[in-house]
Amino acid sequence: ETGVTQTPRHLVMGMTNKKSLKCEQHLGHNAMYWYKQSAKKPLELMFVYSLEERVENNSVPSRFSPECPNSSHLFLHLHTLQPEDSALYLCASSQESAAGGSYEQYFGPGTRLTVT
Amino acid sequence: LAKTTQPISMDSYEGQEVNITCSHNNIATNDYITWYQQFPSQGPRFIIQGYKTKVTNEVASLFIPADRKSSTLSLPRVSLSDTAVYYCLVANDYKLSFGAGTTVTVRA
Repeated sequence: ETGVTQTPRHLVMGMTNKKSLKCEQHLGHNAMYWYKQSAKKPLELMFVYSLEERVENNSVPSRFSPECPNSSHLFLHLHTLQPEDSALYLCASSQESAAGGSYEQYFGPGTRLTVT
Repeated sequence: LAKTTQPISMDSYEGQEVNITCSHNNIATNDYITWYQQFPSQGPRFIIQGYKTKVTNEVASLFIPADRKSSTLSLPRVSLSDTAVYYCLVANDYKLSFGAGTTVTVRA
């Protein structure tokens, strides 16, 4: 596998279910991101992990819980979601440098989530 | 966070040059400007990034005026496969603000 992979690609869940999205990057990067992409809306940054520490959390409801066990893996745990949470969830990775700046992000194909 | 504004859509024909302008009036000193391309059912793909003046790579050019309040992505000689959504991103480290995207449709 190369690049950034996400599983599952499609997920349908009820509002009372608990599920997890998985992301894996094979690029040796040290930062990983979760984004939400809803129809007709800009990409919304949800969480950022740098060197396995969460560095950004953009006022995301607590029903979304991220986990980064190592620099190659990122999870998004879901519970008691609402229908408006239906969206494409994208994972990305980048290589952080000490010089700072804006980093070229590599995105996965996304997980299409439908909450019924 | 710098807010970005892009045209919603643009139409072009094969072989033409396409220029997409993004406005970012409150860009901060340390912000970089990055453009991404997204096809249906795929994640965005990096095209080009710049801080000021002009940047060119094998697929596009990025023009940034001195005041940095806007930027223009230039796609030379587009083909049908360039039909996609193009996003402007203004960011420094993890302070990110994506635009709503410009749908570019290339016709034969």
